[in-house]
Amino acid sequence: AQTVTQSQPEMSVQEAETVTLSCTYDTSESDYYLFWYKQPPSRQMILVIRQEAYKQQNATENRFSVNFQKAAKSFSLKISDSQLGDAAMYFCAYGRDDKIIFGKGTRLHILP
Amino acid sequence: KAGVTQTPRYLIKTRGQQVTLSCSPISGHRSVSWYQQTPGQGLQFLFEYFSETQRNKGNFPGRFSGRQFSNSRSEMNVSTLELGDSALYLCASSLAGTRLDTQYFGPGTRLTVL
Repeated sequence: AQTVTQSQPEMSVQEAETVTLSCTYDTSESDYYLFWYKQPPSRQMILVIRQEAYKQQNATENRFSVNFQKAAKSFSLKISDSQLGDAAMYFCAYGRDDKIIFGKGTRLHILP
Repeated sequence: KAGVTQTPRYLIKTRGQQVTLSCSPISGHRSVSWYQQTPGQGLQFLFEYFSETQRNKGNFPGRFSGRQFSNSRSEMNVSTLELGDSALYLCASSLAGTRLDTQYFGPGTRLTVL
């Protein structure tokens, strides 16, 4: 069965610094999607970034980028120039047509 | 354009009762997915609807059911509530066909079962 592991329950980063959140997953499939979702204290989940496994190029969205290592089954999220508004729970997720599986999340604190 | 709305935002029920939660997707979105979020189990997929048809269902008992109407609004129903059903229930919609596309989430309904 597919699993998604986020090994860092909590992390802190100084404002304006860079932080990397890790995510590993287990699958025997070759075609799938990976996601990073952000859930701020207001609880409304927001898609941060989406990666299609067949695309080797790492996805980026402004200050957010991923390091997708397909062979290692690793999908880390890098946040550059951290801002106070980045404070949230971040969930990594694995998806195929028949399922979507979320990791347990990483709570990110931004220190002013 | 209005976002995904969920009603009610908060709900308190007692064991054995049933509950219906509602989700209105973004205008034009035809795919609606439901998720349960608890501190212990995290985020779990419940089911997905597209054009009034349930396309996928997560690993939940039959007490959990849903439907989608012709205007894409969706409801989920939980019968014979148990204490473990206390959770935040999230609804998400997407313009294209599946939850693998960009999903837009609602604020959630917080269900407390006493």
